[in-house]
Amino acid sequence: DQQVKQNSPSLSVQEGRISILNCDYTNSMFDYFLWYKKYPAEGPTFLISISSIKDKNEDGRFTVFLNKSAKHLSLHIVPSQPGDSAVYFCAASALWGTDKLIFGTGTRLQVFP
Amino acid sequence: DAGITQSPRHKVTETGTPVTLRCHQTENHRYMYWYRQDPGHGLRLIHYSYGVKDTDKGEVSDGYSVSRSKTEDFLLTLESATSSQTSVYFCAISGRDPGANVLTFGAGSRLTVL
Repeated sequence: DQQVKQNSPSLSVQEGRISILNCDYTNSMFDYFLWYKKYPAEGPTFLISISSIKDKNEDGRFTVFLNKSAKHLSLHIVPSQPGDSAVYFCAASALWGTDKLIFGTGTRLQVFP
Repeated sequence: DAGITQSPRHKVTETGTPVTLRCHQTENHRYMYWYRQDPGHGLRLIHYSYGVKDTDKGEVSDGYSVSRSKTEDFLLTLESATSSQTSVYFCAISGRDPGANVLTFGAGSRLTVL
């Protein structure tokens, strides 16, 4: 039972354009969401997060949007750069009772010139 | 990697042999985790620890055991390795700030079971 789903295994975007990565979740108890970026042969690194009391969080070129009614979140990267090419993992947790993160399957983003 | 060291980084072993992966942290964080990454499955939690000698199972714990005798070290043991345990294993740590479950990951250990 995949509680966090990333239905697009890959995405290809031209440099300078917007990249939109999507994530859906099924567990209504989740109230904290994170995005991680992973380069080959390295560990995942934290990118941006959002709690359920917000519907948007920005950090530079990265913005995460949360739609709780649809149980959907998305990561927008504007403008996309070649260095953004990596695998992006969505993750979710419930703040009460556990701090275990549940990860999605990842989306490989390729930004081409 | 923010004070997390995994060893070995690469290992090839044969089916049925025991394997131990080590995670060492210098951050003095209370929480430590072992995840495995596989194509089509993302990152899945194997075991985690919330203090010395305090561990618990994750979603894919069968065939794995862990130990934490010191704050800085978290060991993952495969008692008898199988080909299905071929994977990349990541250790992670967390200071568990309330409301912020940000994990910091190590660089990974690639295990191949022949």
